[in-house]
Amino acid sequence: AQSVTQLDSQVPVFEEAPVELRCNYSSSVSVYLFWYVQYPNQGLQLLLKYLSGSTLVKSINGFEAEFNKSQTSFHLRKPSVHISDTAEYFCAVSDGEYGNKLVFGAGTILRVKS
Amino acid sequence: DAGITQSPRYKITETGRQVTLMCHQTWSHSYMFWYRQDLGHGLRLIYYSAAADITDKGEVPDGYVVSRSKTENFPLTLESATRSQTSVYFCASTSTDTQYFGPGTRLTVL
Repeated sequence: AQSVTQLDSQVPVFEEAPVELRCNYSSSVSVYLFWYVQYPNQGLQLLLKYLSGSTLVKSINGFEAEFNKSQTSFHLRKPSVHISDTAEYFCAVSDGEYGNKLVFGAGTILRVKS
Repeated sequence: DAGITQSPRYKITETGRQVTLMCHQTWSHSYMFWYRQDLGHGLRLIYYSAAADITDKGEVPDGYVVSRSKTENFPLTLESATRSQTSVYFCASTSTDTQYFGPGTRLTVL
């Protein structure tokens, strides 16, 4: 069975500082990996995804994540955060079957302070 | 507008009552999903559907029933609501390799 561990439930950081949100997964098969973001009182939006190919994937708003197969990790990073990045971030894994049925981590709340 | 809509957005009900949460998508995606979101658990899969009239259980299906008579609709029914079903419920559908989520329904069971 697949599982996802997000190692930090909350990450406080000052504006313009770098941030890393950690995600580790377990799976016995090939995986697809996703990061979703949830702003307060909203649904989930896809931030970025790894399906195959380059292990470094990037979003349009400056986030990036690197798939590390040997460490079974998919950590999310941003070199300089903004107040508007305050949200909850979810890491998810799929084996590609059943319409990409997802298994989610518990989420990490990123709080950006001025 | 195209996308996924959920109704109602907020619902308060009492223990033992039947409640149906609606989900509608305009993309004609084959796969649809229901998740519940609870603090400390992230999102957990309740049921999913591969097509009209094809449904299957997810991680936490007990106490829920689904149907899918049309591709675009995937209602979730709580047959006899319990307080432990107080949660935020999200519907999603898959296009190729990405799931798209609705805005959620916040359900409170008193």
